[in-house]
Amino acid sequence: NAGVTQTPKFQVLKTGQSMTLQCAQDMNHEYMSWYRQDPGMGLRLIHYSVGAGITDQGEVPNGYNVSRSTTEDFPLRLLSAAPSQTSVYFCASRRTGLLSYEQYFGPGTRLTVT
Amino acid sequence: RKEVEQDPGPFNVPEGATVAFNCTYSNSASQSFFWYRQDCRKEPKLLMSVYSSGNEDGRFTAQLNRASQYISLLIRDSKLSDSATYLCVVKGTYNTDKLIFGTGTRLQVFP
Repeated sequence: NAGVTQTPKFQVLKTGQSMTLQCAQDMNHEYMSWYRQDPGMGLRLIHYSVGAGITDQGEVPNGYNVSRSTTEDFPLRLLSAAPSQTSVYFCASRRTGLLSYEQYFGPGTRLTVT
Repeated sequence: RKEVEQDPGPFNVPEGATVAFNCTYSNSASQSFFWYRQDCRKEPKLLMSVYSSGNEDGRFTAQLNRASQYISLLIRDSKLSDSATYLCVVKGTYNTDKLIFGTGTRLQVFP
């Protein structure tokens, strides 16, 4: 059982470049989300999805796009990288519903924009 | 005001000590509460959920005070392996699945 996987683990980009961070889960979870984590800021929600074909913005969506064509995959696209996007990015998934379920995180992608 | 606030620490305690972390949340309609643990350069993982009546899991005890809008985590008999950052997490009201994370409290247990 792989859980939540993310690729790449590390990435260096130049300002203005674009790239896609990959995220996949094999637990058939409806809810998937992307966070960035910066020192002193905690985890901040970028985008989330409650199912295939449904996405919505989180707290810090500017500069990022997402899509959810399948239940398993939830890629995050950086449109034109900026140094302010240097961060650690975590993808997460869990079940939805009135009861609260454990959220599982991927191992993270460490992104540096120069 | 942040939606979830924690003392960032660090808390430096000797092995065997008891240590307590508090966390406050601003939305009185919040429904579910959790503590996550994050090791250095790793992803967060669920430590325990926090129930209204309080709950215990081995050396860890979590309490919820809805009137004062805070939750707490007590760690007894601290081990070196407890060194990590502890994240307070709040789930919103019934019509949202979003989790709101505190910035974390760092714990360092020394021999």
